[in-house]
Formats: sequence, structure tokens, C-alpha cells
Amino acid sequence: DAKTTQPPSMDCAEGRAANLPCNHSTISGNEYVYWYRQIHSQGPQYIIHGLKNNETNEMASLIITEDRKSSTLILPHATLRDTAVYYCIDKGDSGGSNYKLTFGKGTLLTVNP
Amino acid sequence: DTAVSQTPKYLVTQMGNDKSIKCEQNLGHDTMYWYKQDSKKFLKIMFSYNNKELIINETVPNRFSPKSPDKAHLNLHINSLELGDSAVYFCASSQYPAPGTQYFGPGTRLLVL
Repeated sequence: DAKTTQPPSMDCAEGRAANLPCNHSTISGNEYVYWYRQIHSQGPQYIIHGLKNNETNEMASLIITEDRKSSTLILPHATLRDTAVYYCIDKGDSGGSNYKLTFGKGTLLTVNP
Repeated sequence: DTAVSQTPKYLVTQMGNDKSIKCEQNLGHDTMYWYKQDSKKFLKIMFSYNNKELIINETVPNRFSPKSPDKAHLNLHINSLELGDSAVYFCASSQYPAPGTQYFGPGTRLLVL
């Protein structure tokens, strides 16, 4: 079972920042936080991941609290195409069973015009 | 070019039949996966192969048999299909040392009648 908790749904206005929270209070020291999203009828898409520092790429920013028990994914200027289910996953990055991603229920982000 | 491709995209078949789903990745990755997404949208890993060796086998019935002829291909053969096998099956791939960064295919929608 997933070890992260996320709100089931969120709304955001087009052009505004979307801030998606995630709690991972049982994360261990060597586990990363990964974010994926799944647009309707498509395969999941990798967004970003981090260990303890904040991260930014062309898709989003990831803010991880100092105690690493929670994080926020930020889509700076949400568009209608960002409507999707967003998954926050904590996992190790070494071999064996750490190869698997354990998906929870995620957050359905709906971007409104 | 499609990074991870699956065939067929849709598969409708009768109970008791045997069917195969094929997956190919052109990313040069060393690890491939099969995930199942059921009607409630839960996404769960089934199998993972690293350099053609099985590294993850998650409580999947013996009717499911993955085969990896080479690093770029991971096929899924299902014997004696049952109604409960109806789902969307996603193939994914990743490359050491980043197994958490997985690239997913578009999915195969299997309907067993």
C-alpha cells in the first residue's frame, strides 16, 4: 500500500499556480519523493523527484519540508492540459524491490478555464 | 518516435482464451515493468525485468507469464483469461541508477467477456 497521503481532489484556475500537497511522514532517510501524473486514458508520466533539496525542472517545482515529512508540487502556470491525477510516491533508489513504484489514489487536479 | 510502445492498444476476448501483449522501448533502458490498472483506477506493479532477469514478481497468478527476449522487449502472455483480468495494462522502462524515473507506454485495454 502507498505510504503517502494526498487530498482526493483540487481545483485550480487556468493560468494560476497549482500547489499539490503530499504527506509522507514515514519516509526514511534514503527514500526519495517522486511525482507522477496520469492524464485521462494515458500512461503515467514522470514529473519530478527530490531527496531533501527543492527541485525545479521544465514541468514543475518540488518543495520538500526540512523534516521531509511533506512536500508540495507546484505547477507555476496551470493549463487545461494539466488536468490529471497527480501521484506522490516515496521510494528508495537502490536495487531490488525499490524498483517498483507504489501508487496511491493520488489527487485529481482539475484546471478550470 | 514513441519511447515505450505497446500492442495491441485494445484487446477484446472471451473467457478462457490465451492472449499476449507486447511492449518495446527504444530508450536503451535496462529495466522494464508491467503494471495493471483496474476498474477502480488503482495502479499496481506486476513484474519487473532487469537485463532480461526477473527481479519483481508481485503475487500474480501463474496464468500471467512475462517474457523478455531482449532488453528492449517485455511481453506479457496471459493464459485462460478470466473476467477479473479486464483492466488496462501498462508497460514501463527505466535505467540504472534511476529506477524511480520510469517511462510508461500508452496502455493496453483488455476486456474479457
